[in-house]
Amino acid sequence: SQTIHQWPATLVQPVGSPLSLECTVEGTSNPNLYWYRQAAGRGLQLLFYSVGIGQISSEVPQNLSASRPQDRQFILSSKKLLLSDSGFYLCAWSSARNQPQHFGDGTRLSIL
Amino acid sequence: SQELEQSPQSLIVQEGKNLTINCTSSKTLYGLYWYKQKYGEGLIFLMMLQKGGEEKSHEKITAKLDEKKQQSSLHITASQPSHAGIYLCAYQGGSEKLVFGKGTKLTVNP
Repeated sequence: SQTIHQWPATLVQPVGSPLSLECTVEGTSNPNLYWYRQAAGRGLQLLFYSVGIGQISSEVPQNLSASRPQDRQFILSSKKLLLSDSGFYLCAWSSARNQPQHFGDGTRLSIL
Repeated sequence: SQELEQSPQSLIVQEGKNLTINCTSSKTLYGLYWYKQKYGEGLIFLMMLQKGGEEKSHEKITAKLDEKKQQSSLHITASQPSHAGIYLCAYQGGSEKLVFGKGTKLTVNP
């Protein structure tokens, strides 16, 4: 069966520091991969998605970037964090478009 | 843009009671997903509905999509504390993204 792992589970970072969140999927090949953010009092917002290695699409302009160095690895990064980057970050995968997306346990990011 | 409205926003029930959560769209839904989220955790996929009039069940949870494909309901029979959490409906947006409703917070008192 397929599993998705995200780490770390929680992270506290100072403003201006870099960020790297990692997500890996097991048990499937060539998944579609997604990064969402859930901010306090707001719904889930898609940040990036990838349909293949090296293919990244950004949904909203922001201070973050994403990379997919391997088929089942998706990384969310920032060179300098802003206070507004705080939130709950969720990685998800699906076998194809119009198929259910399956989510990891999330990373809670607090910026001080 | 198409929006999903969920009702009620929050719901408190006694264990053993039945309950229904609604999700209404401003436009026709071509695929409707139900997820459950416990506080501070990821989303758990419950069900996907695609056809008008479709109904699916998993354990004590039943989801339906109306014939016009603009409204879905999630019904829980004989609720248990394990059913507590936030229930989210979502549809497949124009690109790869899922567009979510704001969620219904369910509390089940023992």
